[in-house]
Amino acid sequence: AQSVTQLDSQVPVFEEAPVELRCNYSSSVSVYLFWYVQYPNQGLQLLLKYLSGSTLVKGINGFEAEFNKSQTSFHLRKPSVHISDTAEYFCAVSKTSYDKVIFGPGTSLSVIP
Amino acid sequence: DVKVTQSSRYLVKRTGEKVFLECVQDMDHENMFWYRQDPGLGLRLIYFSYDVKMKEKGDIPEGYSVSREKKERFSLILESASTNQTSMYLCASSPTGMWNEKLFFGSGTQLSVL
Repeated sequence: AQSVTQLDSQVPVFEEAPVELRCNYSSSVSVYLFWYVQYPNQGLQLLLKYLSGSTLVKGINGFEAEFNKSQTSFHLRKPSVHISDTAEYFCAVSKTSYDKVIFGPGTSLSVIP
Repeated sequence: DVKVTQSSRYLVKRTGEKVFLECVQDMDHENMFWYRQDPGLGLRLIYFSYDVKMKEKGDIPEGYSVSREKKERFSLILESASTNQTSMYLCASSPTGMWNEKLFFGSGTQLSVL
């Protein structure tokens, strides 16, 4: 069965510093990969997705992620964070377009002024 | 702007009560989903539906049922609420052909069962 690991449950970072949120998945087949963000008191919204093609994926709000098949990773990065990036971030995986999405446990990003 | 609306933001119920959680989407999406979100566990799929009157079990369907009588509405039912069903419940939808490529989420219902 597929699973998603987010090694860091909480990541504090100072404003304007870079950040990387780590995500590893377990799968022996091709996968679709996603990052979702949940701002306080809101539902989740899609940040970016990898379906195929270029391994570097750019998303909204200046975030990007890199798919690394050999390391089964899909880490999320941003070169300079803002206070407004404070949120919960979820990595997710799916085998195909018609398979259920498996979510990781989430990483809470806190941006410190 | 696309919208998934969950009827209640907070709900407090007693053990043994029958609970209805309502979700409505205005995007004419075929697919609708119910997840529960617990700290440290992420989101877990309870049930989903890919058409009116159709439903499929997700990973944790025990203790829950669903109803989809109209395309825009997907209800989650707790037949006899228990304290271990205290959780945040999230509804989501997606259009045909984009089954999971982009899920649109509601803002959630925090259910407390006492």
